[in-house]
Amino acid sequence: AQRVTQPEKLLSVFKGAPVELKCNYSYSGSPELFWYVQYSRQRLQLLLRHISRESIKGFTADLNKGETSFHLKKPFAQEEDSAMYYCALGPNNNAGNMLTFGGGTRLMVKP
Amino acid sequence: NAGVTQTPKFQVLKTGQSMTLQCAQDMNHEYMSWYRQDPGMGLRLIHYSVGAGITDQGEVPNGYNVSRSTTEDFPLRLLSAAPSQTSVYFCASSRGTGRETQYFGPGTRLLVL
Repeated sequence: AQRVTQPEKLLSVFKGAPVELKCNYSYSGSPELFWYVQYSRQRLQLLLRHISRESIKGFTADLNKGETSFHLKKPFAQEEDSAMYYCALGPNNNAGNMLTFGGGTRLMVKP
Repeated sequence: NAGVTQTPKFQVLKTGQSMTLQCAQDMNHEYMSWYRQDPGMGLRLIHYSVGAGITDQGEVPNGYNVSRSTTEDFPLRLLSAAPSQTSVYFCASSRGTGRETQYFGPGTRLLVL
């Protein structure tokens, strides 16, 4: 069965410090992984997906199939990065609409 | 484009009452889904649809019904509300499967007393 684990419910860092939000998954097949973000009073939105290999708002995430991880990183946190972050795994076939979400990590960036 | 819209924004129900959460999208997306968001549990899939007239169950379907008569609308019905259904409900749509980018609505906060 598909599963996504985000071990930290809350991560608090100071502005300018590096950030790493952890995500581990269990999956059989070729995974499709995403990071979604929810800023205060805003709707959930896509931050990045592993196949695009983009850097969005300074965030990057590398898929490590050996460790089954997809950690989200940013070298220098900004206060505007404070939000709820969800790691998500796409379905293992081309039918259905079943994103599997982790429990989420709340990032707080202190001034 | 309005994207994905949801109504109401907030609702209080008594145990046993029924209600419908509305969801609409104007992006001509085939795929639509409903998730509930609970603290520490992330978002869990309730029901989804891959096109008009086609729906299927997700991870937590009990107590909820859906239908998809048009591409644009995907209402979620609570048959007999229970306190365990207190949650924030998100509707999402995408142009393809769950491996495509999901576009979320603003959410409906439901409190069942």
